[in-house]
Amino acid sequence: EDKVVQSPLSLVVHEGDTVTLNCSYEVTNFRSLLWYKQEKKAPTFLFMLTSSGIEKKSGRLSSILDKKELFSILNITATQTGDSAVYLCAVEQAAGNKLTFGGGTRVLVKP
Amino acid sequence: NAGVTQTPKFQVLKTGQSMTLQCAQDMNHNSMYWYRQDPGMGLRLIYYSASEGTTDKGEVPNGYNVSRLNKREFSLRLESAAPSQTSVYFCASGGEASNQPQHFGDGTRLSIL
Repeated sequence: EDKVVQSPLSLVVHEGDTVTLNCSYEVTNFRSLLWYKQEKKAPTFLFMLTSSGIEKKSGRLSSILDKKELFSILNITATQTGDSAVYLCAVEQAAGNKLTFGGGTRVLVKP
Repeated sequence: NAGVTQTPKFQVLKTGQSMTLQCAQDMNHNSMYWYRQDPGMGLRLIYYSASEGTTDKGEVPNGYNVSRLNKREFSLRLESAAPSQTSVYFCASGGEASNQPQHFGDGTRLSIL
């Protein structure tokens, strides 16, 4: 059975802290791993990772994939209150483009 | 800039009632998807449609039917609603090409009493 596990379930930090979120997976026919940010409504796309060891970076957010060890991390540096959200990891299978999601990590950034 | 549009945004039903959730996308995507999101469980795929005229079951299809009306529209129907179907439902489109992520609508919050 395909499985995506995120940790921690939730965390509380203060502005300026660095956050590291974890995602491990067991999926057949892996094609890519995606990170989404979900505030109150629709999940919004952050990164897609297909190659192992390559870091994707956008401002204060970065992510890396380890296809050998089957995990990914999402880092947020110099956190701001606007980073408060649920961060979702999903793995895409080659067949049918289906996504399997983890349960999410809820991040609360306090001023 | 509409992207993926879902209607309604909120709905309350009584057990046994039926309803259809509507979804439309304006990004010319071939693939469309319906997910449900329950607390602590992430999103789970209900049904998907790889192209107009085709639909396939996802992880949790029981109790639901879908219709791919045309390339833009993909509807989800609950024939006889049950309290276990209380959830937030998300429609998504895209993802059929490499490096193309799925894009999500704002969701429909459905409560079944």
